[in-house]
Amino acid sequence: DTAVSQTPKYLVTQMGNDKSIKCEQNLGHDTMYWYKQDSKKFLKIMFSYNNKELIINETVPNRFSPKSPDKAHLNLHINSLELGDSAVYFCATLTDNYGYTFGSGTRLTVV
Amino acid sequence: SQQGEEDPQALSIQEGENATMNCSYKTSINNLQWYRQNSGRGLVHLILIRSNEREKHSGRLRVTLDTSKKSSSLLITASRAADTASYFCASFNQAGTALIFGKGTTLSVSS
Repeated sequence: DTAVSQTPKYLVTQMGNDKSIKCEQNLGHDTMYWYKQDSKKFLKIMFSYNNKELIINETVPNRFSPKSPDKAHLNLHINSLELGDSAVYFCATLTDNYGYTFGSGTRLTVV
Repeated sequence: SQQGEEDPQALSIQEGENATMNCSYKTSINNLQWYRQNSGRGLVHLILIRSNEREKHSGRLRVTLDTSKKSSSLLITASRAADTASYFCASFNQAGTALIFGKGTTLSVSS
């Protein structure tokens, strides 16, 4: 049973399309995050939710919209995809010991 | 702004040798964490060291923290080929709401 699961694992799409990435956790953690990892492996925080409430919304284009239907899910919807959106997107949860549990990532390629 | 910076960017060693990675950070911290990322996978939490601790061990890992120099080091002893991965340090942003990651050190261990 995967603790933090992301779907899909790979996503190839054309510029201008709208796509969603889903994240589900079965750990019972209250806080969930979306991070973007670029081609140089730099990880940047995008959003954070605590028990369905938005906590962090970094300087991310408003084409990106997170949605948390319940505590176990944090989805990421991206409108009008651009080439620069190509990256690996990671979902993570905050453990009781202040570390993160990461999902395995979604590799998004915009062509 | 980025919290942690790892050094070196890349490190190549032989199996059995020790690997040392360094991390410098900018602001005051409550704790500092190290993560490992294998190629194509999510990050895995390795160890957390609190600001009032100077050294911590976990198996073949040894982490030190020098708050006066705002630096930490991760030592992997008797390295194995399976230790080949990228290693990141991370600490919470000033609001305490999200981990900020360094750029990572890519470690290659050859047999």
